[in-house]
Amino acid sequence: DVKVTQSSRYLVKRTGEKVFLECVQDMDHENMFWYRQDPGLGLRLIYFSYDVKMKEKGDIPEGYSVSREKKERFSLILESASTNQTSMYLCASEGVNQPQHFGDGTRLSIL
Amino acid sequence: AQSVTQLDSQVPVFEEAPVELRCNYSSSVSVYLFWYVQYPNQGLQLLLKYLSGSTLVKGINGFEAEFNKSQTSFHLRKPSVHISDTAEYFCAVTPGSFNKFYFGSGTKLNVKP
Repeated sequence: DVKVTQSSRYLVKRTGEKVFLECVQDMDHENMFWYRQDPGLGLRLIYFSYDVKMKEKGDIPEGYSVSREKKERFSLILESASTNQTSMYLCASEGVNQPQHFGDGTRLSIL
Repeated sequence: AQSVTQLDSQVPVFEEAPVELRCNYSSSVSVYLFWYVQYPNQGLQLLLKYLSGSTLVKGINGFEAEFNKSQTSFHLRKPSVHISDTAEYFCAVTPGSFNKFYFGSGTKLNVKP
């Protein structure tokens, strides 16, 4: 089975902090994704990556950046956290001709 | 561009009753279709997928969905629900390139005893 592991289930940070959310997958997938999930809005794509050191903006990239130095790891960075970035963050990975597999999510609160 | 509409934000149903969760999509190209389930405080888990072939797709936990190209729908059904089916369900589409998924806003299924 595909395993997508997000480093934290719950995280509390302060406004202005730099925040790192880590995601690791164990299936050698090329594609990895970061979403945020908010009530009534479903999942919105922040960034995705289709190879090491490659990244593409999703629908809501503002205030975020990403890093993919190794194939198995995809990091989401909040450069200067703000309260409107309080949300559930979901990481997913995807192999060729396969659906996306998700981690358990990180519930991030910005105070 | 693709979009996905889940008209029902919440669906209450009694245990052992049938249920249908609706999903409609719009797309100018052929798409692949998926249903995911999210239990409380967990990530999304794939329920079923339609890639090609038979329009009736069976998934895990007794769920099935039917792809209707003329109506651009992919409704999810289960003939008899259990309390354990209480969760949020997301419909998703992607063009054949498999590099961007479009999700609906989700339907919360609440199964009552």
